[in-house]
Amino acid sequence: GAGVSQSPSNKVTEKGKDVELRCDPISGHTALYWYRQRLGQGLEFLIYFQGNSAPDKSGLPSDRFSAERTGESVSTLTIQRTQQEDSAVYLCASSLDSLGQETQYFGPGTRLLVL
Amino acid sequence: AQSVTQPDIHITVSEGASLELRCNYSYGATPYLFWYVQSPGQGLQLLLKYFSGDTLVQGIKGFEAEFKRSQSSFNLRKPSVHWSDAAEYFCAVGAQDTGRRALTFGSGTRLQVQP
Repeated sequence: GAGVSQSPSNKVTEKGKDVELRCDPISGHTALYWYRQRLGQGLEFLIYFQGNSAPDKSGLPSDRFSAERTGESVSTLTIQRTQQEDSAVYLCASSLDSLGQETQYFGPGTRLLVL
Repeated sequence: AQSVTQPDIHITVSEGASLELRCNYSYGATPYLFWYVQSPGQGLQLLLKYFSGDTLVQGIKGFEAEFKRSQSSFNLRKPSVHWSDAAEYFCAVGAQDTGRRALTFGSGTRLQVQP
């Protein structure tokens, strides 16, 4: 079946602009995660959604970052007033639930470059 | 809070040689442990995972990992490396008993395979 998809695959923007990144999880997966991967580094957790529960936003680096998810479907990550340090690959993952045991399936990522 | 250390940033091995990638974690209870591989331009793929039971875990592509509680380690091994194994490898830990469901990743080990 289809995996996690993300769009756009690449995004170049100017400092100060807002960007919106999209994630389509695997159908039936109730948990959805956003991570950030800076060049040469591991993944940093940003935010996760589980069903209709309040999202865990503990990883968002600043109030310029926000995310939404409608039900158990698409999620969008928005970065307002982008800064050069926001340049990274943004990865989305989904899993059947968030009990911790479930495998997280990752999308190909959106590579963001802020000029 | 949990943390993961991958001491080796970059490793080069000859094709056919054995491989061991190190991973040490810090977590107060029994963790969930994962190894993911990221090939150039591709998303993360799960190699194997440990939740409980047998401490030697078999994964895909001929990889295995051993959970050693006394050493807080979860090293990844392969008896004979193939050129196609060249990639970046990430160890990750998940929490069993906290509200935090996202994974904590190490900074990765880049594997280069010499012919």
